[in-house]
Amino acid sequence: GAVVSQHPSRVICKSGTSVKIECRSLDFQATTMFWYRQFPKQSLMLMATSNEGSKATYEQGVEKDKFLINHASLTLSTLTVTSAHPEDSSFYICSARDNPRGYNEQFFGPGTRLTVL
Amino acid sequence: QKEVEQDPGPLSVPEGAIVSLNCTYSNSAFQYFMWYRQYSRKGPELLMYTYSSGNKEDGRFTAQVDKSSKYISLFIRDSQPSDSATYLCAMTFTGGGNKLTFGTGTQLKVEL
Repeated sequence: GAVVSQHPSRVICKSGTSVKIECRSLDFQATTMFWYRQFPKQSLMLMATSNEGSKATYEQGVEKDKFLINHASLTLSTLTVTSAHPEDSSFYICSARDNPRGYNEQFFGPGTRLTVL
Repeated sequence: QKEVEQDPGPLSVPEGAIVSLNCTYSNSAFQYFMWYRQYSRKGPELLMYTYSSGNKEDGRFTAQVDKSSKYISLFIRDSQPSDSATYLCAMTFTGGGNKLTFGTGTQLKVEL
């Protein structure tokens, strides 16, 4: 099946620092990747849609200058949380769309747990 | 009102029971319906994918979609302790930019 990896799986950082999270599609090319945030016992909230070679599309209320997304290749997208603060602590999950397998299927990475002290 | 409503549970059942998980939605434009399983501190895993109304079966799992009632269900037969997880419904539509709208998830615990 389609495999999506994320790195790191867990990160703890000090307030004010920046953190980069990588999302990779391992066995398929993903023209579109999605970034979600999930708070405890809540559902996934879409933050942005990332298309290879173009600027990301952010959902309403998501600060694009704070959450920098780069989709430089068909297998890699990165999310950088800039000047992180404790309220940014959350579970960040990426997903990737595999066109040949289905129009709307998305395959999810294992997630990255960010804790900002 | 949320676009997708899902009872958060927790739902506790004995091993071997039939589990019924449900979601209701308000947007009649939704055409594609998915069920994901999420273990604690892990990313969601796609279980079932259905287009429009009807039933789809895969092993112990059956997904049902009733678009007229805006109601979808996931049935798990012969439930196992390994089925203990949070089950999320998700849906989207053509022209929706492939954005998935998720339910809040139902936490299921299958007990020995």
